[in-house]
Amino acid sequence: DTEVTQTPKHLVMGMTNKKSLKCEQHMGHRAMYWYKQKAKKPPELMFVYSYEKLSINESVPSRFSPECPNSSLLNLHLHALQPEDSALYLCASSQGTMGLNYGYTFGSGTRLTVV
Amino acid sequence: AQRVTQPEKLLSVFKGAPVELKCNYSYSGSPELFWYVQYSRQRLQLLLRHISRESIKGFTADLNKGETSFHLKKPFAQEEDSAMYYCALMGSQGNLIFGKGTKLSVKP
Repeated sequence: DTEVTQTPKHLVMGMTNKKSLKCEQHMGHRAMYWYKQKAKKPPELMFVYSYEKLSINESVPSRFSPECPNSSLLNLHLHALQPEDSALYLCASSQGTMGLNYGYTFGSGTRLTVV
Repeated sequence: AQRVTQPEKLLSVFKGAPVELKCNYSYSGSPELFWYVQYSRQRLQLLLRHISRESIKGFTADLNKGETSFHLKKPFAQEEDSAMYYCALMGSQGNLIFGKGTKLSVKP
């Protein structure tokens, strides 16, 4: 398995809802990432997990809460989002936090719409 | 500062023409650079790594430390090359830093 799988592919949620995005990889990668991508913009880093520990939080608002239950899974819990949080949320993984020169493998993303 | 600059938002060429997508970086130390491609409605895919000096889909990129550049080149563009191309730099914390991207449009 050489893929990063993200579910759901699309999500519409109200501003008072609580939802979770899921990401899974079975490549043995020990670093996992959440990125946010707005239309026609590059991905922006949100969180980095290394060996299941949060190593980078790019000043993301607390309404986004990441969780790494084990080395294969990464969740992003969403609560009280704003319409401006609507975006494509990308999960990625790599062999290590320094990428080991292989770069990241990205999932296809969850397209989130906050209404 | 760690930064990636892609000066062209849009690059339009005719099929069969050479194409060069520019990328400049700012990084103290030995950089690790990548090119990613995002076709319409598809996931972001790794195209090239500078460390491997490979050629993928006819694309090549050479790291020029003197000019701090990592331009992506292809001698003969194809219509299926139309996509968004991102140059990326591995930051000192292991985070991938992306340029703003260049949209390549190859016309028939």
